[in-house]
This record gives sequence, structure tokens and C-alpha cells, in this order.
Amino acid sequence: DAKTTQPNSMESNEEEPVHLPCNHSTISGTDYIHWYRQLPSQGPEYVIHGLTSNVNNRMASLAIAEDRKSSTLILHRATLRDAAVYYCILYTPGTYKYIFGTGTRLKVLA
Amino acid sequence: DTAVSQTPKYLVTQMGNDKSIKCEQNLGHDTMYWYKQDSKKFLKIMFSYNNKELIINETVPNRFSPKSPDKAHLNLHINSLELGDSAVYFCASSQQDRGHKIGQFFGPGTRLTVL
Repeated sequence: DAKTTQPNSMESNEEEPVHLPCNHSTISGTDYIHWYRQLPSQGPEYVIHGLTSNVNNRMASLAIAEDRKSSTLILHRATLRDAAVYYCILYTPGTYKYIFGTGTRLKVLA
Repeated sequence: DTAVSQTPKYLVTQMGNDKSIKCEQNLGHDTMYWYKQDSKKFLKIMFSYNNKELIINETVPNRFSPKSPDKAHLNLHINSLELGDSAVYFCASSQQDRGHKIGQFFGPGTRLTVL
């Protein structure tokens, strides 16, 4: 059911930028791209979302390809607290459904 | 204040028992969800209620029955518990008309262990 594809795992050094990729080649024109992360032993938390344009917030940046078939979540300076599973999700307004895939497990090295 | 709360946090029970998990949100949202996360960490939607009306019911055994007494509460009752029901259950909420813009808010989870 998941309509997104992400690498199973990635590693980053502390205080370095991290680029987490997501492919969503079957995205429709109305689908929003959402990113969530799940810290160990916690529920998922919303990180950022976008439709067509790149987005920035206090947690991260979201870069969306021009054809919208892929996106990249950017953590500008990874900290040990950013170690989590990051999920890329497509959400179609009005469907009530957020379909989580397997996500990318990010490991941050001190 | 906790936005989405669940009780209990841990639940250990014997096979065949009936148990309930409660969820409350104080965000004023109109849509609530139950998810199951199994041992492989795959997060799967089970149910969704919008304004107390069931709108998503994903191939979940009849032993699972959600109940929404009001918009702020969504409970999950499980009959005749089986070993395979062991998982972490997450409650979430969203505001439907802004869900695509604000996403979902999740509770801390309830870890259910069936012995």
C-alpha cells in the first residue's frame, strides 16, 4: 500500500547535514508530501510537509523535485537526538489515510 | 498539557482475555485514528473516526471494536486476545479540513503483550 520508497537506513556524523531521500513516482496532483519521524519508544511526530515548493521550518527543510516524483528531507545539522526512523508519506486530502512505509532509520554518530 | 494521551501505557494479559485501550485528544480535532505497530516496526492504520463516525476500517478482525463516545475520545476494545495481537498501539488525531497541512498528532503508544 505504501506509495513511497525510502532507503532502509542511513548514517550521519553529528553536526553534519543529512539528506534523506524519498521516491514517490506515482504521486498525483493533489497529494501532499508529509514527513514524520519516530524517536525510540515514542509515537511518530510530524516534521514537515509540502505540495510543490520547497519548505523550511524550525526542524528541517523539504526539497521537492520539479516533477514531484521525489523529495528530500534535509536536516541541516544532525544531532544525536535526531536518531530516529523517518517516514515519507503521501497524503490525499479528503481520504483520511496516512499510509506509512518502512521508513529510513537514521543513525547519528558522535 | 499532553495533546494526545493513551491509557494504559503497558498492558500485559493472557490469551483469551478482553481488554480496552483508551485515547483522548485535547486539540479540538475532528478525526481520530488507531494504528498498530508490530515487532518489525511496520505502522499500519486500523481505524479512523471523523466526528464520531467510522470512516476507515482496514481488514481488522472483528475482535477489534473501536468506539468513539465523542470527538475527543476513541477507545479500542479487543476481545479474545491472541498472541499475534501483541504490538504497540498508537492513537492519533488530525483536523480533517487541515490534515493535509498540519498532519497527525500521535499519542505515546500502548504496548500490549499477550502471553
